[in-house]
Amino acid sequence: GQQLNQSPQSMFIQEGEDVSMNCTSSSIFNTWLWYKQDPGEGPVLLIALYKAGELTSNGRLTAQFGITRKDSFLNISASIPSDVGIYFCAAMNYGGSQGNLIFGKGTKLSVKP
Amino acid sequence: EAGVAQSPRYKIIEKRQSVAFWCNPISGHATLYWYQQILGQGPKLLIQFQNNGVVDDSQLPKDRFSAERLKGVDSTLKIQPAKLEDSAVYLCASGQTLRYFFGQGTRLTVV
Repeated sequence: GQQLNQSPQSMFIQEGEDVSMNCTSSSIFNTWLWYKQDPGEGPVLLIALYKAGELTSNGRLTAQFGITRKDSFLNISASIPSDVGIYFCAAMNYGGSQGNLIFGKGTKLSVKP
Repeated sequence: EAGVAQSPRYKIIEKRQSVAFWCNPISGHATLYWYQQILGQGPKLLIQFQNNGVVDDSQLPKDRFSAERLKGVDSTLKIQPAKLEDSAVYLCASGQTLRYFFGQGTRLTVV
């Protein structure tokens, strides 16, 4: 079945550092979404991408929809402590009926001790 | 705008018991999903509704799980009987125009 490979699985950040994570698949998608999940909460939508090559920003977050439609990346610039959490990529193919939204396994962001 | 509401937040049951979760989506959202999220993993789709019709329930373990969305608004997910491996967070999401929003989830512990 369709699968999203998200990397890295985890990373440590120091305040002020830039962070990058990505998501790849062997399948083509026409929609990519990025979510952040804090402990005990549901995922919160950060950025939505609908067109191959699209680059979209939300504050310090920037995400791109890969030109092959098989990947996407998320960058966080000048990280701050509240960026800690788990980031998920999600993708779907929206067609005649609403498509299924599938998720990667997440990238866990922690603060460097 | 009110978000996706789910209840209860937490539930502890013994194996072989039944349990039901409730979801009230964002007003006007036609699409509703139920996901299962096991600790340390990404959400896994269980069932997708479009209004009150099922679009995809291929990953729903139908021998024990059932879901309905009778009037195209609220939805309930039931497990009967529960197994230990059903311990997870059950998330409801709703959306339209390709933007999907999640509730806080129900954390189920089966002992």
